[in-house]
Amino acid sequence: SQQGEEDPQALSIQEGENATMNCSYKTSINNLQWYRQNSGRGLVHLILIRSNEREKHSGRLRVTLDTSKKSSSLLITASRAADTASYFCATAGDTGANSKLTFGKGITLSVRP
Amino acid sequence: GAGVSQTPSNKVTEKGKYVELRCDPISGHTALYWYRQSLGQGPEFLIYFQGTGAADDSGLPNDRFFAVRPEGSVSTLKIQRTERGDSAVYLCASSLGAPFYNEQFFGPGTRLTVL
Repeated sequence: SQQGEEDPQALSIQEGENATMNCSYKTSINNLQWYRQNSGRGLVHLILIRSNEREKHSGRLRVTLDTSKKSSSLLITASRAADTASYFCATAGDTGANSKLTFGKGITLSVRP
Repeated sequence: GAGVSQTPSNKVTEKGKYVELRCDPISGHTALYWYRQSLGQGPEFLIYFQGTGAADDSGLPNDRFFAVRPEGSVSTLKIQRTERGDSAVYLCASSLGAPFYNEQFFGPGTRLTVL
């Protein structure tokens, strides 16, 4: 079963615009991670935010986490055509020693040149 | 190696056959994960190894699926009596020994097609 639900399911923007993607989840987490996937293969790790963190930055990426609302957002600033991909949020649970990731269905981002 | 590698990249087999999918994790990563991704979906967890032992195999769909990691490095996912519903991309990931806090690095996947 998939815990995360991303919103929107698809997003189309013009190059240079900002892209905001949201993720909601259901159970308590240890951390939340965002991944990018091109052409249905090869997930690339983008950023990890822990449950005691509220915001994190990495280059053009900004991630926020609100554990009270069980939600996260990924902001990509000044988007480029190369950012076109599917984006997934994934959560790691906080029980036991298992850190398996539970993924959402993903968001398809298209950046028009 | 530089990253997680998986072989083969593509596997086409007939219903009822046996297949093995191999994963070579990043050197020094003690945690290894298998996921399965169907078209239009996110990856779904299958099994997690910490060292040589399967710490959590709750995601394996049934007893036709089995995975091993005998020396704590390379892992093999084995599927017996394949069914058309097993067709998917099988992804392997590895992470450092503190899995709660470390990101997982994914391989390119093996696309399995069962005819």
